[in-house]
Amino acid sequence: AQSVAQPEDQVNVAEGNPLTVKCTYSVSGNPYLFWYVQYPNRGLQFLLKYITGDNLVKGSYGFEAEFNKSQTSFHLKKPSALVSDSALYFCAVRDYSNYQLIWGAGTKLIIKP
Amino acid sequence: DAMVIQNPRYQVTQFGKPVTLSCSQTLNHNVMYWYQQKSSQAPKLLFHYYDKDFNNEADTPDNFQSRRPNTSFCFLDIRSPGLGDAAMYLCATSREGAGSSVYEQYFGPGTRLTVT
Repeated sequence: AQSVAQPEDQVNVAEGNPLTVKCTYSVSGNPYLFWYVQYPNRGLQFLLKYITGDNLVKGSYGFEAEFNKSQTSFHLKKPSALVSDSALYFCAVRDYSNYQLIWGAGTKLIIKP
Repeated sequence: DAMVIQNPRYQVTQFGKPVTLSCSQTLNHNVMYWYQQKSSQAPKLLFHYYDKDFNNEADTPDNFQSRRPNTSFCFLDIRSPGLGDAAMYLCATSREGAGSSVYEQYFGPGTRLTVT
């Protein structure tokens, strides 16, 4: 069965430090992977995706993600965290049997000044 | 800017009183989705339209219905809301089909439903 895991419910980072939000996946074949961010009482905003090509994908707001096939991971990263990055982050993988997204449980990111 | 719009942003309804949530899009995407999201959990897909074809998730209650009168608009009808239906309802769109290179879904801001 295809699945996505976000092992951390919450990640705390000091402002200015690098941040990583972890995501691992289980799919058959080549994965299509996505990261979304959700601010309080708002919809989900698309950050970035990996379909094919370079393993390091750059996205919105200075975020990037590294696709690692051997570790089946797609961790979200940012070199220097901002307080405004505090939000809920979801990792998702595209279901091969249809075009729908399989979602991770979400990770709450808290950036402290 | 092309976008997904949801109205209203906040909706209060009474227990058992039918309610309709609306979604419109200017992206000209052929697939529209309705999700339910409770208290910071992952969004749960209720159903979606692929063009005019309606696709219901197996565990979506019969209390939830949807209509898509044209490409741009989609409605979520909750026939008899219960207290357990209080949630954020998210509309999303994507473009699928031959030649499509847009795989991500684009979301509206959501409608927060309160049931009293």
